[in-house]
Amino acid sequence: EVQLVESGGGLVQPGGSLRLSCAASGFTFSSSWMHWVRQPPGKGLVWVARVNTDGSRTYYDDSVTGRFTISRDNAENTLYLEMSRLRVEDTAIYYCAREYYGLWTGYYFDVWGQGRLVTVSS
Amino acid sequence: DIQLHQSPSSLSASVGDTITITCRARENIRSYLNWYQQKPGKAPQVLISAASSLESGVPSRFSGSGSGTDFTLTISSLQPEDFATYYCQQGYSNSWSFGQGTKVEI
Repeated sequence: EVQLVESGGGLVQPGGSLRLSCAASGFTFSSSWMHWVRQPPGKGLVWVARVNTDGSRTYYDDSVTGRFTISRDNAENTLYLEMSRLRVEDTAIYYCAREYYGLWTGYYFDVWGQGRLVTVSS
Repeated sequence: DIQLHQSPSSLSASVGDTITITCRARENIRSYLNWYQQKPGKAPQVLISAASSLESGVPSRFSGSGSGTDFTLTISSLQPEDFATYYCQQGYSNSWSFGQGTKVEI
């Protein structure tokens, strides 16, 4: 079964750091581009970051550039999101998601994790 | 970054109604536009990819159209399980983005 399972997260003070992990199984992780998407409580989805198959190319939303780092360990089939200088507005459920590409279907998210809540509060 | 404007932000409808949600991109994204459905407490699920390609297992009452900057999601004969929040998402640029969402309520 294709699966993504996030871990980490929790409560952190403003200015603090946290690392999220996303364990992949059931597919060839090293062949998939991966993303992080977040959703503040009661609000919409926000794309956060994207990484290519070998981790050499990364892309970020402007709101997290310079503070968040997406990375991956293909030997461990795990995706990471290192978050630093956290702000109250970073409070959200964080999802990892797999990118799918098809010639006729384009690029989209085809597999999602269950989500992990990160709360930034003093 | 490519901004997507989705409208309306919410709508009320009844079972059996046909509804349309629109998504407008700030620049040409060709057909790299996808639609997702999200229910409370759950991760989103893709309905439509590449503007009009229905994903496997998605009922045919869902349809998408458009290209360039203007896109629509149509749900015909609304069913009780369709009351949810819908998002458009572009996969054209290196940095992806979502629309603000449309909540479909009874």
